[in-house]
Amino acid sequence: LAKTTQPISMDSYEGQEVNITCSHNNIATNDYITWYQQFPSQGPRFIIQGYKTKVTNEVASLFIPADRKSSTLSLPRVSLSDTAVYYCLVGLNNAGNMLTFGGGTRLMVKP
Amino acid sequence: NAGVTQTPKFRVLKTGQSMTLLCAQDMNHEYMYWYRQDPGMGLRLIHYSVGEGTTAKGEVPDGYNVSRLKKQNFLLGLESAAPSQTSVYFCASSYSERSSGNTIYFGEGSWLTVV
Repeated sequence: LAKTTQPISMDSYEGQEVNITCSHNNIATNDYITWYQQFPSQGPRFIIQGYKTKVTNEVASLFIPADRKSSTLSLPRVSLSDTAVYYCLVGLNNAGNMLTFGGGTRLMVKP
Repeated sequence: NAGVTQTPKFRVLKTGQSMTLLCAQDMNHEYMYWYRQDPGMGLRLIHYSVGEGTTAKGEVPDGYNVSRLKKQNFLLGLESAAPSQTSVYFCASSYSERSSGNTIYFGEGSWLTVV
């Protein structure tokens, strides 16, 4: 299983860009990288997924270097409602992969 | 389209009592999972299933049992509840196709307190 390492917490201010990096040194060739967002008292929800280079959607961007041993979630111009825990998940949906979550990064956006 | 539905949402148990949490998904997903999340902590996988009639242990399976008799349902049982099992329980499901990566859809959670 590819283990992930993320910062425990980050602080930011409204309107700033936030970058959260996840390390996954033993990522497997076929593994995708997926980020989830969790608000208090709710289940995590999908934000973005990528395999290599850069992926962008209406919510965030995901940057993956060529060696794929890390990835960076970028949230442009955060607002107070982006305060949440962000999880980096690495792994493929095949038998034997338990899709374990790390501790996540607790992002606090301040006014 | 309800997605992933968990019942009950809240429950208080006495030590030693048994109960079952029900998870239902209407997305025809092959894979289903049960996680627990303690206050201020990340999610830990309890058990998972890769298809109807199959189950497997996750990171923290002790004290729990599961069954997947129907593809759309995944039951989590506590045979003899302990205070250490006080937690929020999340059910999740996903497709099995490799092209889908590992996008997981979560339920809203079940808050369980064991006194």
